Amino acid sequence: NAGVTQTPKFRVLKTGQSMTLLCAQDMNHEYMYWYRQDPGMGLRLIHYSVGEGTTAKGEVPDGYNVSRLKKQNFLLGLESAAPSQTSVYFCASSPLGDYFSYEQYFGPGTRLTVT
Amino acid sequence: KQEVTQIPAALSVPEGENLVLNCSFTDSAIYNLQWFRQDPGKGLTSLLLIQSSQREQTSGRLNASLDKSSGRSTLYIAASQPGDSATYLCAVPSPYNTDKLIFGTGTRLQVFP
Repeated sequence: NAGVTQTPKFRVLKTGQSMTLLCAQDMNHEYMYWYRQDPGMGLRLIHYSVGEGTTAKGEVPDGYNVSRLKKQNFLLGLESAAPSQTSVYFCASSPLGDYFSYEQYFGPGTRLTVT
Repeated sequence: KQEVTQIPAALSVPEGENLVLNCSFTDSAIYNLQWFRQDPGKGLTSLLLIQSSQREQTSGRLNASLDKSSGRSTLYIAASQPGDSATYLCAVPSPYNTDKLIFGTGTRLQVFP
């Protein structure tokens, strides 16, 4: 199993450009998440999905959109990139289960720079 | 609002030392607490998950304890090695939406030979 994979690994955008980050998981997990990680801020949840066709806002959703058309894929879109969106983006997934025991599994990250 | 704090922010120790990393949280109504490891430029790897009914979990040289009433968890690393050098993060589900994890900002550990 590849686990959670992210595409691309690195990207540089100019202000105002758009792009889509792809997350794929092969563990048949119901839940998927997008986080951003910034120095001194820790990981913050952008959007998440509790199943195919569903999405929900996290802590910092502004400027991002997501889609979950297939259970194994979760896409994060930036319609008009801004320098404040320079960050490392992580995707994660977790199985449907009881709240006491479920774990999140993370991808390797995408390093995005907006100039 | 749940807040998660990790102290110290950075730690540098010689190989062979036993270490304790601390994690504290403000709302004790948690279902579990998860410890992660993050290597530079890499994603997060789950190390241990302690359910709220458990006091501790062990995996190899790692032992994590949980005291819900005091809002604290510790990660004990025995006989540290240079390969343990990484950032260690703890996380708890949000009390209001257990689909969301609240992360601490991590402890950056360096173990030198």
